[in-house]
Amino acid sequence: GAVVSQHPSWVICKSGTSVKIECRSLDFQATTMFWYRQFPKQSLMLMATSNEGSKATYEQGVEKDKFLINHASLTLSTLTVTSAHPEDSSFYICSAGRESGLEQFFGPGTRLTVL
Amino acid sequence: AQSVAQPEDQVNVAEGNPLTVKCTYSVSGNPYLFWYVQYPNRGLQFLLKYITGDNLVKGSYGFEAEFNKSQTSFHLKKPSALVSDSALYFCAVSPYGNNRLAFGKGNQVVVIP
Repeated sequence: GAVVSQHPSWVICKSGTSVKIECRSLDFQATTMFWYRQFPKQSLMLMATSNEGSKATYEQGVEKDKFLINHASLTLSTLTVTSAHPEDSSFYICSAGRESGLEQFFGPGTRLTVL
Repeated sequence: AQSVAQPEDQVNVAEGNPLTVKCTYSVSGNPYLFWYVQYPNRGLQFLLKYITGDNLVKGSYGFEAEFNKSQTSFHLKKPSALVSDSALYFCAVSPYGNNRLAFGKGNQVVVIP
């Protein structure tokens, strides 16, 4: 149990385009979902926390208008990177938390490359 | 502010030898502590957590960790390392009542056959 999927697993796009990444909890309802960004050989940096049906809470320094987060249901959250630029290239990882537990369950990640 | 320190970049250990990955934390209040493992180009897998109770926590794949409040440490251990344990290990902390996790920089573990 507690499986989280991400789609796509990798994406290459041109500079200026927008990319949407989906995060789904497959076998449980996720009260909270988190979006992280990971640079090569570095740790995960929390970008934002989203709760179903409410606006996401962004970490300091994360541009809300650039990284749009929607948490439409208890099993789906999306991250849209708007007007992507090469510096947005990174590994994006989502996680989901259950109301009954404290650990987060992580998706497999999405590798974004902006040309 | 909460923070996690993983002082070593890489830990090398021979197969069959004990493995220790160090973690110290700084957080106000009672900490929730976690260990995760990441294989190349994959998400993180949960290993174990400390919330309260026994200071020695047992987790997945034979790993365990000991919470030491006086030293503010939560070192990960495995009595006998396997080559398949080679991966990136992250320690994370969350303050009481807050699910937001702060991660350490990670430790690359290399188990030598």
